[in-house]
Amino acid sequence: GAVVSQHPSWVICKSGTSVKIECRSLDFQATTMFWYRQFPKQSLMLMATSNEGSKATYEQGVEKDKFLINHASLTLSTLTVTSAHPEDSSFYICSPLGLAGNGETQYFGPGTRLLVL
Amino acid sequence: DAKTTQPTSMDCAEGRAANLPCNHSTISGNEYVYWYRQIHSQGPQYIIHGLKNNETNEMASLIITEDRKSSTLILPHATLRDTAVYYCIVRVGYGNKLVFGAGTILRVKS
Repeated sequence: GAVVSQHPSWVICKSGTSVKIECRSLDFQATTMFWYRQFPKQSLMLMATSNEGSKATYEQGVEKDKFLINHASLTLSTLTVTSAHPEDSSFYICSPLGLAGNGETQYFGPGTRLLVL
Repeated sequence: DAKTTQPTSMDCAEGRAANLPCNHSTISGNEYVYWYRQIHSQGPQYIIHGLKNNETNEMASLIITEDRKSSTLILPHATLRDTAVYYCIVRVGYGNKLVFGAGTILRVKS
């Protein structure tokens, strides 16, 4: 149980283009989705939290107009990096909130590695 | 959420038990202790969590002290594939985000 998929697993794009990352919870429903990013040799940093059907809440320092989050259903959320620049190159990881045996648990996708040239 | 303190790194011999400590001296009564691990270039993997009782599942055991100020994650028979960064996180049980610290780099050696 608790299988999460992300697509694509890696992407290389030119500076100025937009990239969409999909995250799916395959065998459970997630009313809440967290998006993280991780730079090399650093820990995960939370970018935003979204609840199904409502606008995302962004962490301080994360531009909401640059990182567009859509959480249209209980099994699908997307993160779009708009007008990507080299400094946006990172490992992006989604984390849906699901039910485990003793309460809610965050599960994680396998991550999407973005390289902006 | 309460902060946690973990050793930067640890080594463990293959086949032996790996005991990973975590201090969370400011933990509140409604905060759970969660453990995740991240193998290189992958998303974090949920291991186990608990409130005050010891917990065990197919991956590991979680021992929480009676005063809840510290805990230990135990991998009973470590293998080379258990080499990863292990994160101990405390948070309120429902709906709140997980905030990751630096974690412990566990190296399992043959």
